[in-house]
Formats: sequence, C-alpha cells, structure tokens
Amino acid sequence: GQQLNQSPQSMFIQEGEDVSMNCTSSSIFNTWLWYKQEPGEGPVLLIALYKAGELTSNGRLTAQFGITRKDSFLNISASIPSDVGIYFCAGYLEYGNKLVFGAGTILRVKS
Amino acid sequence: EPEVTQTPSHQVTQMGQEVILRCVPISNHLYFYWYRQILGQKVEFLVSFYNNEISEKSEIFDDQFSVERPDGSNFTLKIRSTKLEDSAMYFCASMLGMISNQPQHFGDGTRLSIL
Repeated sequence: GQQLNQSPQSMFIQEGEDVSMNCTSSSIFNTWLWYKQEPGEGPVLLIALYKAGELTSNGRLTAQFGITRKDSFLNISASIPSDVGIYFCAGYLEYGNKLVFGAGTILRVKS
Repeated sequence: EPEVTQTPSHQVTQMGQEVILRCVPISNHLYFYWYRQILGQKVEFLVSFYNNEISEKSEIFDDQFSVERPDGSNFTLKIRSTKLEDSAMYFCASMLGMISNQPQHFGDGTRLSIL
C-alpha cells in the first residue's frame, strides 16, 4: 500500500523553540494536509496545501508542499505548552479521494 | 463552526456481538468516510460513501462491515460480529466535495472496546 514516512516520531522541546517535522513518500500527492490530534479528540485540520511549491502559514505554523509532490514539511515557531499533541500529515494520492496518513509526530513541550 | 459529531464516545461490546457507530456529518457535505486508529498506530481508511453508495473501501472493510445513511443526517458504521482486533478508535469524517481533494473534517471518534 501507499506509505507516508513521517519524522521525527517524537520531539521533546523547550518552550520557545522552533519545531520542524516532515513527511515523504515514493508516491505523488495532489494535496497535503496537516492535522493535530489531542487526547480524546479527532484530528483537527491545521493547514491545507494544494499546489506543488505552495508555502502556507497559519499563525505560528508554516507548511510547504514539496515541488516533487512527494513531500511536505510543517514548522512551528516559538512553541508554547498548548502545542502539545500528535501532528499528522495526510494526503490525497494522484487518483482517489481517501486520505493516507503518516504515523504522526508526538510533540511535548517543557516550560 | 459546524462540526462532525459521533456517538457514543465509548462503546464496550462482547466479542461476537453487533455494534453500530453513529455519525452526523456536517450538513451540506456530500462525501462521508470512516477511518480507524488502533491504539498507538496511524489513522487508516476504511470506507468512503457518496451519493448513497460506497465509492471506495479498504481491505480492512470486509463482509463484517457495512455503512448506511438511513436519513438525511446520520451516517452509520455497523460491525456485524465483532472480533477482539476490532478494538480501536473509529473516526467519521465528511468533506464538502464540490471540488476534488478538499480537507476532510473529523469527529472526535468512538472508542470501541471488544471484550
């Protein structure tokens, strides 16, 4: 099946630090989405990317759609305690409308 | 802001019993989905539903699973004879669908525990 390789698996950082995580695949994606999941809740959409090379920001979050259409990254600047959670990349392959998810990055922030 | 709602939040069922998980998608959305997340693992696609029929399903979605949109608001997932390995979080999602590849919006999930 199609694989999304997400890294790092987990991060434990100091409040105020910047965070970077990424997803790569051997397959081409039409759309990249970044979601955040907190305990007891479903994934919540953070950023959507629709075109190769697109760079989009949402507050302290910035994400990019790789120009090869096979990767994406998410950066969080100046992390705060409420950034804690699991961050998932997800995408639509070139054909089809189901989401393929990465394994997630667990983010912990120490204040 | 409109949201996807799921009930119950937690379902405990004996192995072999039938279970129905319920979802109310966002009202003007046209595409509906079920995903599952086994504890500590990634979110996996189960099935997509559009225009009152299944549009795609994964290999996980075998004959024990079925979906239904019994009225204009509910979207259900039925597992006919549950197995221990069906224990997972089940997420419903919906998508507006007027153009392709839009974001899907997820409910908070139902935690299914099979004993």
